[in-house]
Amino acid sequence: EPEVTQTPSHQVTQMGQEVILRCVPISNHLYFYWYRQILGQKVEFLVSFYNNEISEKSEIFDDQFSVERPDGSNFTLKIRSTKLEDSAMYFCASSGGWDSLSQFFGPGTRLTVL
Amino acid sequence: QKEVEQNSGPLSVPEGAIASLNCTYSDRGSQSFFWYRQYSGKSPELIMSIYSNGDKEDGRFTAQLNKASQYVSLLIRDSQPSDSATYLCAVTSGSARQLTFGSGTQLTVLP
Repeated sequence: EPEVTQTPSHQVTQMGQEVILRCVPISNHLYFYWYRQILGQKVEFLVSFYNNEISEKSEIFDDQFSVERPDGSNFTLKIRSTKLEDSAMYFCASSGGWDSLSQFFGPGTRLTVL
Repeated sequence: QKEVEQNSGPLSVPEGAIASLNCTYSDRGSQSFFWYRQYSGKSPELIMSIYSNGDKEDGRFTAQLNKASQYVSLLIRDSQPSDSATYLCAVTSGSARQLTFGSGTQLTVLP
């Protein structure tokens, strides 16, 4: 069964460093998303991406964040200058065509900022 | 502020019983409703989606939606210990696809 994959599973970085989180969405899906979940808190929406551009973003998704689809399979989230409060699980998700709203989540990347 | 509210639990039911999980949402423009299961330390796993008022059944799971009351529920029949997890309610609003999640209800099924 097709699934969303994410790498790395765990990333440790120093405050102020840049990190790139990688995702491979389900191959025939058209919509891609990033969510995060701080330990013990709700899953929060960050950004959605369709047709090579951002379609929605939340207040959390400020100038330190960017997304990119560098090729036909990968979808990346870049955090330019990490802060302690960026420590969280980051989930990538994808959904199918215009009539398919169900989002399928990857296993997540645990980001630890020291 | 669009809110999705769930009883945090924990909810404990004996094996074989029916578990009932509830969710309310604040935005009357909400269109699509989802239930996810999340095991500790894992990612959300989609269980059910529901878009219209009424019931939708899939195996042991039944989702119920009442848009007038802004209420969606999930029933799990014949609960198994493997159903022990946190159940997340998620909602979209209008034409947006972003999911707004509740804080989840922790379910424990006792053998």
